[in-house]
Amino acid sequence: EPEVTQTPSHQVTQMGQEVILRCVPISNHLYFYWYRQILGQKVEFLVSFYNNEISEKSEIFDDQFSVERPDGSNFTLKIRSTKLEDSAMYFCASQVGALNQYFGPGTRLTVL
Amino acid sequence: GDSVTQMEGPVTLSEEAFLTINCTYTATGYPSLFWYVQYPGEGLQLLLKATKADDKGSNKGFEATYRKETTSFHLEKGSVQVSDSAVYFCALRYGGSQGNLIFGKGTKLSVKP
Repeated sequence: EPEVTQTPSHQVTQMGQEVILRCVPISNHLYFYWYRQILGQKVEFLVSFYNNEISEKSEIFDDQFSVERPDGSNFTLKIRSTKLEDSAMYFCASQVGALNQYFGPGTRLTVL
Repeated sequence: GDSVTQMEGPVTLSEEAFLTINCTYTATGYPSLFWYVQYPGEGLQLLLKATKADDKGSNKGFEATYRKETTSFHLEKGSVQVSDSAVYFCALRYGGSQGNLIFGKGTKLSVKP
């Protein structure tokens, strides 16, 4: 069964550094999402992406964040200058049409 | 704003015990409701869903009924197995069928043999 993949599984970075989290959605899916879960808290929506542009974003998704679909298969989340409070599990999801969202296994980001 | 509240974990049960994980929601309009499950080392997987009031979602022996009058979507299973050990997330979706999901905090279930 096709699945969403994410790399790396764990990323450790220093505060102020840029990180790029990578996702490969299911190949015929057209809608893409990033969510995050800070330890012990709720899974929170960050951004949705369709037709090469952001369709919706939350208040968490500020100017430090950006998303890109650089090559038609990858879907990336960039954090320009990481903060301690960006430490979380980041989940990518994809969807086709009106069907369900399929999630990847997540990338655990640790900012030191 | 819209939100989901689910019971705090962890929940520890013996095999074949009855499971209930409570979930209530606050929403404007009529959202669709979901239960997702996350097994260790894996992504969130859709377990079941209901799209309108009084609908019952079911899968793998799990059930949940969309109760508009109590704004609830409690997850139940009559007889849990060790393989059901996972984290369970209740969620709602608004904004149409491509809208983002709003999740609860998740409830960790451990089933002992």
